[in-house]
Amino acid sequence: GAGVSQSPSNKVTEKGKDVELRCDPISGHTALYWYRQSLGQGLEFLIYFQGNSAPDKSGLPSDRFSAERTGGSVSTLTIQRTQQEDSAVYLCASSYDNTNYGYTFGSGTRLTVV
Amino acid sequence: DQQVKQNSPSLSVQEGRISILNCDYTNSMFDYFLWYKKYPAEGPTFLISISSIKDKNEDGRFTVFLNKSAKHLSLHIVPSQPGDSAVYFCAASSNSGYALNFGKGTSLLVTP
Repeated sequence: GAGVSQSPSNKVTEKGKDVELRCDPISGHTALYWYRQSLGQGLEFLIYFQGNSAPDKSGLPSDRFSAERTGGSVSTLTIQRTQQEDSAVYLCASSYDNTNYGYTFGSGTRLTVV
Repeated sequence: DQQVKQNSPSLSVQEGRISILNCDYTNSMFDYFLWYKKYPAEGPTFLISISSIKDKNEDGRFTVFLNKSAKHLSLHIVPSQPGDSAVYFCAASSNSGYALNFGKGTSLLVTP
């Protein structure tokens, strides 16, 4: 597609439920990144994919968070047993390679845990 | 710990004047710096970048200045336009990592 697509755009879930967030990167982009932005904070790095492998998972806040990427394309971020502190905007970005020369971000998924 | 700091949460500038957005960093390993612009309900969009081997990079109305000794960079927008009203994020990376370290952003309002 023309841009990075994320779904859903908004998600409200009850504390303790699992959620899945989806990212469709730009076709041909091999690098994919997940970030999140909590209220009043900057963007926080979560995980990086090169192709289907994740060489850097250092930003995942806990073992409740996991992510996968299949076919070198779509990525899913899963949060198990959601907590209120997980509420944030989750942003996906892709780039042609990992040279950090300006990602293209999606519009994000706003997650609210009630 | 916040390695990239934008100490001004907001800035208001008159149309036609210069907007100066500032950013400080603490990690001396950072060697590449970027500015992103974000409108409400949209993802950040890449604006301009600078490598640590340079001290200035210009692209149209946007210029980024880097002072490595002070660990400081700034984004100048001249002349400012109402459409520039957005949140501006400073980001930095090091050659050894893939992640960008972002500041908390500065909300710029350009008034007519």
